[in-house]
Amino acid sequence: AQSVSQHNHHVILSEAASLELGCNYSYGGTVNLFWYVQYPGQHLQLLLKYFSGDPLVKGIKGFEAEFIKSKFSFNLRKPSVQWSDTAEYFCAVMYTGNQFYFGTGTSLTVIP
Amino acid sequence: GAGVSQSPSNKVTEKGKDVELRCDPISGHTALYWYRQSLGQGLEFLIYFQGNSAPDKSGLPSDRFSAERTGGSVSTLTIQRTQQEDSAVYLCASSAALGLAGGSSYNEQFFGPGTRLTVL
Repeated sequence: AQSVSQHNHHVILSEAASLELGCNYSYGGTVNLFWYVQYPGQHLQLLLKYFSGDPLVKGIKGFEAEFIKSKFSFNLRKPSVQWSDTAEYFCAVMYTGNQFYFGTGTSLTVIP
Repeated sequence: GAGVSQSPSNKVTEKGKDVELRCDPISGHTALYWYRQSLGQGLEFLIYFQGNSAPDKSGLPSDRFSAERTGGSVSTLTIQRTQQEDSAVYLCASSAALGLAGGSSYNEQFFGPGTRLTVL
């Protein structure tokens, strides 16, 4: 079975610190990759996505992610976090067959 | 409406009872997904519908779980003879289209607010 791993379960950072959240997925051929965010009390929403082309994708609110095919990774980054980035972050992978697999999520707490 | 809606927002039931959870996807979206989110867990895929095709039920955890999608729009997830381990947030998402080779608007899932199910 396919799987998605997020190694950081809970991350605590001070404002202005840099962020990198890891995401690895099991091999399954062609994939589409996503990062979703869930702010406290809100719906899951899309941060960014990768389908093809430039492996460095930019999303909303200054987030970016880099697809490294050889490492089966799609790590999320932000150079300088803000208190408002406190949320749960989910990596997701879509394989052929249109089934999505989500990671277990990373809880980010940003301390003002 | 503008987004995916789900009802009820909260459901408390007794063990052994049946429950129905409803999802109204974004109008025109052909793909609809159900997920389960348990405390400390990621999103567990349950089932998805794509147009008039047979649904992919491979994620349903047991035969007590079933789902329908009527007229290619509203979907109902039914859990029969609920158990305490069914307690979770059930999320619905819809998408305009599917396809790994699709354009930038493909595959993005829009999530509803979820239904929090508590089985006593």
